[in-house]
Amino acid sequence: KNQVEQSPQSLIILEGKNCTLQCNYTVSPFSNLRWYKQDTGRGPVSLTIMTFSENTKSNGRYTATLDADTKQSSLHITASQLSDSASYICVVREQTGANNLFFGTGTRLTVIP
Amino acid sequence: DGGITQSPKYLFRKEGQNVTLSCEQNLNHDAMYWYRQDPGQGLRLIYYSQIVNDFQKGDIAEGYSVSREKKESFPLTVTSAQKNPTAFYLCASTMGGTSYEQYFGPGTRLTVT
Repeated sequence: KNQVEQSPQSLIILEGKNCTLQCNYTVSPFSNLRWYKQDTGRGPVSLTIMTFSENTKSNGRYTATLDADTKQSSLHITASQLSDSASYICVVREQTGANNLFFGTGTRLTVIP
Repeated sequence: DGGITQSPKYLFRKEGQNVTLSCEQNLNHDAMYWYRQDPGQGLRLIYYSQIVNDFQKGDIAEGYSVSREKKESFPLTVTSAQKNPTAFYLCASTMGGTSYEQYFGPGTRLTVT
């Protein structure tokens, strides 16, 4: 069964600190993995996409990693800011089929001053 | 200014009434999607449409209906048959097929009492 699991469910950190969010998946055959940021009451916005051959990709203070062998991805946030407070959703795309996106339940990050 | 718009942002209805949520995009995207988001759960696909005048059921289509008469528009009707309609509804679109990034609208919060 294709699944995407994220941890932790929620996280509180001090402004300026780093944090790492985890995403484990069982989706196969794998196409790509996206991390989205969703502010409260808003739609998700894509942060980065990882394909099978990519191990690391950065987008400003966000760095995503992918280990396709162990089917794990992480999102590392450096020098957190108050505006980083949001839910971060991991979405894995299966290679085949029209209905082929699998969503994690998200990690709720709160950055406090 | 390109993007996806959803209206209204908040919607309140009495139980037993049908309600239609609007989704419009000016990105010239072929495919459009409707998701439902509930606390603690990942996004769940309600309906999707890959081309005008054609749409397919997603994982939780019961109690919902859609139409795709124009490329730009994909309205969702929540019928009285939907047992638990209170949720956050997200519309998304993608350029074509299933390999491209999904762009999300800002969402509509529906409350049924």
